[in-house]
Amino acid sequence: AQSVSQHNHHVILSEAASLELGCNYSYGGTVNLFWYVQYPGQHLQLLLKYFSGDPLVKGIKGFEAEFIKSKFSFNLRKPSVQWSDTAEYFCAVTDSGGGFKTIFGAGTRLFVKA
Amino acid sequence: DTEVTQTPKHLVMGMTNKKSLKCEQHMGHRAMYWYKQKAKKPPELMFVYSYEKLSINESVPSRFSPECPNSSLLNLHLHALQPEDSALYLCASSQDLGQWRDSPLHFGNGTRLTVT
Repeated sequence: AQSVSQHNHHVILSEAASLELGCNYSYGGTVNLFWYVQYPGQHLQLLLKYFSGDPLVKGIKGFEAEFIKSKFSFNLRKPSVQWSDTAEYFCAVTDSGGGFKTIFGAGTRLFVKA
Repeated sequence: DTEVTQTPKHLVMGMTNKKSLKCEQHMGHRAMYWYKQKAKKPPELMFVYSYEKLSINESVPSRFSPECPNSSLLNLHLHALQPEDSALYLCASSQDLGQWRDSPLHFGNGTRLTVT
Protein backbone atom coordinates (compact mmCIF):
# COMPACT_ATOMS: atom_id res chain seq x y z
CA ALA A 1 0.00 0.00 0.00
CA GLN A 2 1.08 3.53 -0.65
CA SER A 3 2.67 5.28 2.32
CA VAL A 4 4.35 8.57 3.14
CA SER A 5 7.09 8.84 5.76
CA GLN A 6 8.23 12.00 7.43
CA HIS A 7 11.44 11.49 9.34
CA ASN A 8 11.15 14.20 11.97
CA HIS A 9 8.11 14.50 14.19
CA HIS A 10 9.33 17.51 16.13
CA VAL A 11 11.91 20.08 15.11
CA ILE A 12 13.06 23.06 17.16
CA LEU A 13 15.14 25.75 15.48
CA SER A 14 16.31 29.25 16.24
CA GLU A 15 15.41 32.08 13.89
CA ALA A 16 17.68 32.32 10.84
CA ALA A 17 18.60 28.65 11.03
CA SER A 18 18.21 26.53 7.91
CA LEU A 19 15.44 23.98 7.67
CA GLU A 20 15.19 20.65 5.92
CA LEU A 21 12.28 18.29 6.51
CA GLY A 22 12.48 14.83 5.03
CA CYS A 23 9.69 13.06 3.15
CA ASN A 24 9.77 9.68 1.44
CA TYR A 25 6.96 7.85 -0.28
CA SER A 26 6.51 4.26 -1.29
CA TYR A 27 4.53 4.42 -4.53
CA GLY A 28 6.49 3.62 -7.68
CA GLY A 29 4.17 5.03 -10.31
CA THR A 30 3.30 8.53 -11.39
CA VAL A 31 2.77 10.80 -8.41
CA ASN A 32 1.96 14.37 -7.54
CA LEU A 33 3.76 15.62 -4.45
CA PHE A 34 2.70 18.31 -2.03
CA TRP A 35 3.69 20.02 1.16
CA TYR A 36 0.87 21.44 3.24
CA VAL A 37 1.24 23.65 6.29
CA GLN A 38 -1.08 24.11 9.24
CA TYR A 39 -0.38 27.22 11.31
CA PRO A 40 -1.72 27.22 14.88
CA GLY A 41 -5.49 27.58 14.80
CA GLN A 42 -5.67 27.73 11.03
CA HIS A 43 -6.71 25.41 8.24
CA LEU A 44 -4.40 23.25 6.20
CA GLN A 45 -3.04 25.15 3.24
CA LEU A 46 -0.82 24.37 0.30
CA LEU A 47 2.84 25.33 0.62
CA LEU A 48 4.08 23.98 -2.69
CA LYS A 49 3.50 21.19 -5.17
CA TYR A 50 5.31 19.11 -7.74
CA PHE A 51 3.46 17.92 -10.79
CA SER A 52 6.09 17.57 -13.49
CA GLY A 53 9.09 19.35 -14.97
CA ASP A 54 11.81 20.99 -12.88
CA PRO A 55 12.27 18.80 -9.79
CA LEU A 56 13.15 21.84 -7.70
CA VAL A 57 9.93 23.62 -6.90
CA LYS A 58 9.46 26.90 -5.09
CA GLY A 59 6.50 27.68 -2.90
CA ILE A 60 5.23 30.47 -0.76
CA LYS A 61 7.16 32.20 2.01
CA GLY A 62 10.59 31.18 0.70
CA PHE A 63 10.06 27.43 0.92
CA GLU A 64 11.32 25.05 -1.72
CA ALA A 65 11.35 21.31 -2.21
CA GLU A 66 13.32 18.93 -4.37
CA PHE A 67 11.87 15.83 -5.97
CA ILE A 68 14.46 13.06 -6.28
CA LYS A 69 12.74 10.25 -8.12
CA SER A 70 15.50 7.69 -7.55
CA LYS A 71 15.22 8.21 -3.80
CA PHE A 72 11.41 8.51 -3.71
CA SER A 73 11.96 11.71 -1.76
CA PHE A 74 10.48 15.20 -1.68
CA ASN A 75 12.32 17.12 1.03
CA LEU A 76 11.27 20.58 2.11
CA ARG A 77 13.84 23.31 2.65
CA LYS A 78 14.09 26.90 3.74
CA PRO A 79 17.44 28.71 4.05
CA SER A 80 16.45 30.90 6.98
CA VAL A 81 13.39 30.26 9.14
CA GLN A 82 11.35 32.87 10.95
CA TRP A 83 9.32 32.69 14.14
CA SER A 84 6.18 32.86 11.98
CA ASP A 85 7.12 29.53 10.37
CA THR A 86 6.10 27.76 13.57
CA ALA A 87 3.51 25.29 12.32
CA GLU A 88 2.88 21.67 11.44
CA TYR A 89 4.08 20.54 8.03
CA PHE A 90 2.58 17.63 6.14
CA CYS A 91 4.01 15.92 3.12
CA ALA A 92 1.34 14.43 0.84
CA VAL A 93 1.29 12.22 -2.22
CA THR A 94 -1.39 11.67 -4.82
CA ASP A 95 -0.87 8.70 -7.08
CA SER A 96 -2.44 8.14 -10.44
CA GLY A 97 -2.93 4.43 -9.88
CA GLY A 98 -4.76 4.66 -6.56
CA GLY A 99 -7.84 6.52 -7.61
CA PHE A 100 -6.05 9.80 -7.14
CA LYS A 101 -6.20 9.53 -3.37
CA THR A 102 -4.05 11.98 -1.45
CA ILE A 103 -2.21 10.33 1.42
CA PHE A 104 -0.57 12.41 4.13
CA GLY A 105 2.54 11.80 6.13
CA ALA A 106 2.42 11.91 9.93
CA GLY A 107 3.47 15.56 10.01
CA THR A 108 6.38 17.48 11.48
CA ARG A 109 5.81 20.03 14.20
CA LEU A 110 8.25 22.90 13.76
CA PHE A 111 8.86 25.36 16.56
CA VAL A 112 11.03 28.37 15.80
CA LYS A 113 12.50 30.19 18.76
CA ALA A 114 12.59 33.95 18.45
CA ASP B 1 -9.44 32.77 5.13
CA THR B 2 -10.31 29.51 3.45
CA GLU B 3 -12.72 29.30 0.51
CA VAL B 4 -14.17 26.06 1.82
CA THR B 5 -16.78 26.70 4.50
CA GLN B 6 -17.65 24.11 7.09
CA THR B 7 -20.47 24.21 9.63
CA PRO B 8 -20.76 23.86 12.49
CA LYS B 9 -17.31 24.65 13.88
CA HIS B 10 -17.95 22.59 16.98
CA LEU B 11 -20.43 19.80 17.62
CA VAL B 12 -21.13 17.74 20.71
CA MET B 13 -23.45 14.79 20.27
CA GLY B 14 -24.58 11.76 22.17
CA MET B 15 -24.24 8.26 20.86
CA THR B 16 -27.92 8.05 19.97
CA ASN B 17 -28.11 11.40 18.18
CA LYS B 18 -28.34 12.08 14.47
CA LYS B 19 -26.46 15.11 13.20
CA SER B 20 -25.00 16.40 9.96
CA LEU B 21 -21.81 18.21 9.02
CA LYS B 22 -21.95 20.60 6.09
CA CYS B 23 -19.36 21.81 3.64
CA GLU B 24 -19.64 24.36 0.85
CA GLN B 25 -17.29 25.67 -1.83
CA HIS B 26 -17.87 28.09 -4.69
CA MET B 27 -14.61 27.68 -6.57
CA GLY B 28 -16.17 25.47 -9.24
CA HIS B 29 -14.26 22.47 -7.95
CA ARG B 30 -15.67 19.12 -9.04
CA ALA B 31 -14.02 16.89 -6.45
CA MET B 32 -14.87 17.04 -2.76
CA TYR B 33 -13.48 15.09 0.15
CA TRP B 34 -14.06 14.21 3.78
CA TYR B 35 -11.02 13.66 5.98
CA LYS B 36 -10.83 12.74 9.65
CA GLN B 37 -8.00 14.08 11.78
CA LYS B 38 -7.30 12.88 15.30
CA ALA B 39 -5.08 14.91 17.60
CA LYS B 40 -1.43 14.94 16.54
CA LYS B 41 -2.19 12.70 13.57
CA PRO B 42 -2.35 13.38 9.84
CA PRO B 43 -5.67 13.71 8.01
CA GLU B 44 -7.11 10.33 7.03
CA LEU B 45 -9.20 10.07 3.90
CA MET B 46 -12.81 8.96 4.39
CA PHE B 47 -14.73 9.71 1.21
CA VAL B 48 -14.17 11.26 -2.20
CA TYR B 49 -16.83 12.63 -4.51
CA SER B 50 -16.11 13.38 -8.12
CA TYR B 51 -18.75 15.16 -10.18
CA GLU B 52 -21.27 14.53 -7.40
CA LYS B 53 -20.73 10.77 -7.44
CA LEU B 54 -19.07 8.80 -4.70
CA SER B 55 -15.68 7.82 -6.05
CA ILE B 56 -13.85 6.50 -3.01
CA ASN B 57 -15.07 5.10 0.31
CA GLU B 58 -12.13 4.15 2.50
CA SER B 59 -14.04 1.37 4.28
CA VAL B 60 -15.71 3.88 6.56
CA PRO B 61 -18.34 2.48 8.99
CA SER B 62 -21.93 2.95 7.88
CA ARG B 63 -22.63 5.24 10.85
CA PHE B 64 -20.99 7.86 8.60
CA SER B 65 -23.08 8.61 5.53
CA PRO B 66 -21.86 11.14 2.95
CA GLU B 67 -24.07 13.04 0.57
CA CYS B 68 -23.30 15.39 -2.29
CA PRO B 69 -26.52 17.23 -3.20
CA ASN B 70 -24.79 19.37 -5.85
CA SER B 71 -21.34 20.34 -7.00
CA SER B 72 -20.94 22.98 -4.29
CA LEU B 73 -22.22 21.09 -1.27
CA LEU B 74 -21.03 18.10 0.67
CA ASN B 75 -22.70 16.69 3.76
CA LEU B 76 -21.68 14.06 6.25
CA HIS B 77 -24.58 12.49 8.13
CA LEU B 78 -23.76 11.03 11.52
CA HIS B 79 -25.76 8.43 13.42
CA ALA B 80 -25.00 6.22 16.40
CA LEU B 81 -21.41 7.38 16.69
CA GLN B 82 -18.94 6.10 19.24
CA PRO B 83 -16.72 8.18 21.54
CA GLU B 84 -13.69 7.11 19.48
CA ASP B 85 -15.22 8.95 16.53
CA SER B 86 -14.43 12.22 18.26
CA ALA B 87 -12.06 14.09 15.95
CA LEU B 88 -11.67 17.05 13.63
CA TYR B 89 -13.58 16.43 10.41
CA LEU B 90 -12.11 18.21 7.45
CA CYS B 91 -13.75 18.94 4.16
CA ALA B 92 -11.62 19.64 1.12
CA SER B 93 -12.13 20.30 -2.55
CA SER B 94 -9.99 20.22 -5.65
CA GLN B 95 -10.45 21.27 -9.23
CA ASP B 96 -10.69 17.71 -10.45
CA LEU B 97 -9.55 14.20 -9.63
CA GLY B 98 -7.98 12.79 -12.71
CA GLN B 99 -8.20 15.03 -15.72
CA TRP B 100 -6.00 17.65 -14.20
CA ARG B 101 -3.61 15.97 -11.88
CA ASP B 102 -2.11 19.29 -10.84
CA SER B 103 -4.99 19.73 -8.49
CA PRO B 104 -4.15 20.51 -4.87
CA LEU B 105 -6.62 20.25 -2.05
CA HIS B 106 -8.29 23.30 -0.54
CA PHE B 107 -9.29 22.62 3.04
CA GLY B 108 -11.96 24.05 5.29
CA ASN B 109 -11.33 24.88 8.93
CA GLY B 110 -13.01 21.68 10.03
CA THR B 111 -15.72 20.66 12.47
CA ARG B 112 -14.49 19.57 15.87
CA LEU B 113 -16.76 16.71 16.86
CA THR B 114 -17.09 15.33 20.39
CA VAL B 115 -19.16 12.21 20.94
CA THR B 116 -20.29 11.70 24.53
